[in-house]
Amino acid sequence: GIQVEQSPPDLILQEGANSTLRCNFSDSVNNLQWFHQNPWGQLINLFYIPSGTKQNGRLSATTVATERYSLLYISSSQTTDSGVYFCAVSPGTASKLTFGTGTRLQVTL
Amino acid sequence: GAVVSQHPSWVICKSGTSVKIECRSLDFQATTMFWYRQFPKQSLMLMATSNEGSKATYEQGVEKDKFLINHASLTLSTLTVTSAHPEDSSFYICSARGQGGYTFGSGTRLTVV
Repeated sequence: GIQVEQSPPDLILQEGANSTLRCNFSDSVNNLQWFHQNPWGQLINLFYIPSGTKQNGRLSATTVATERYSLLYISSSQTTDSGVYFCAVSPGTASKLTFGTGTRLQVTL
Repeated sequence: GAVVSQHPSWVICKSGTSVKIECRSLDFQATTMFWYRQFPKQSLMLMATSNEGSKATYEQGVEKDKFLINHASLTLSTLTVTSAHPEDSSFYICSARGQGGYTFGSGTRLTVV
């Protein structure tokens, strides 16, 4: 099956710093999403981005489908950004999602 | 937007008993729902795909007789953990595809004592 690797696995930032999270996948995909899992376990859908670039406030994401990677940018980080960030992909639009290994982010004061 | 409701949020049960977890799509119909399991500090692993009106499709290594899945309507799927044991303690999450991608329930934290 498709393999999804994320980097870095862990990241510690001071509040206000910027960061870039990366997601590499091993095969062509029709669906790619970025999620933030909060400390209570809830998965928050950040972006549905099988290709191209999107922005939502301090967050933006870019997927280069032909090169099989996606990037999530976090600017001016806040303590509430702490948690685990997952990318998840599927080869078809209605296929099961395969989750990446995750990036655990901690934002400190 | 699409909303998926999952209940209960947490449950503690005795070893050997069964636990049922419900997953409902509130504002859309979901012919397919997915059940994931997440152990501490690990990623989400797909357990099974739940198909409305038919048998679920289980991932390799997932015991069909232990994790019973029923998808009786377009808005409800249930996961029953039968004869639960401490090693079944985990975080269980359901999802369904709606507009804008997949939406996830809030998860159920199961502790078997």
